[in-house]
Amino acid sequence: KAGVTQTPRYLIKTRGQQVTLSCSPISGHRSVSWYQQTPGQGLQFLFEYFSETQRNKGNFPGRFSGRQFSNSRSEMNVSTLELGDSALYLCASSLSDGRNQPQHFGDGTRLSIL
Amino acid sequence: GEDVEQSLFLSVREGDSSVINCTYTDSSSTYLYWYKQEPGAGLQLLTYIFSNMDMKQDQRLTVLLNKKDKHLSLRIADTQTGDSAIYFCAERGSNYKLTFGKGTLLTVNP
Repeated sequence: KAGVTQTPRYLIKTRGQQVTLSCSPISGHRSVSWYQQTPGQGLQFLFEYFSETQRNKGNFPGRFSGRQFSNSRSEMNVSTLELGDSALYLCASSLSDGRNQPQHFGDGTRLSIL
Repeated sequence: GEDVEQSLFLSVREGDSSVINCTYTDSSSTYLYWYKQEPGAGLQLLTYIFSNMDMKQDQRLTVLLNKKDKHLSLRIADTQTGDSAIYFCAERGSNYKLTFGKGTLLTVNP
């Protein structure tokens, strides 16, 4: 069974640009969550989607947005990129949004802002 | 609010046992997780424990939970060089999101 797939693996952008990251969950998983990982702040929750609806949101500015499609694939978008957005962005999927459902992570997209 | 604390570094010799400790604050946490991250990779789910359990064993891994003290530990028996990685403790509390500790860098010396 294929794991969580994130594309692209690496991305370089400049300040002010926007970026879209993609995540394909494990087959059959309907919940997708996004996290930002930086050396200073560690792993921080961005948002969670289930059945195309955002169920939960972390403390990030409105420049960070996401969506989920009917096939459970998800995208996240960051507009007006800032240097501080340089990070590893991780996507995780689970069968449902229940607390007893473990989240399985992809290898992430490493975003570098110049 | 939720907070998860872990020691940042642990160094052991190959063949010894490793014990990684974690404390959390959300008393409504029902599930607690351990993840492993190797360089350049995402997070690999190692094991998880439900809050009504106090111990869970899975091959070389043993998780101990002291709910009264909100303390969680991960013991790795017969630690190997391939176990060198960063280990994250995480809780899933009342708001359903995963809250992670800063991670413990485990170094295994031959």
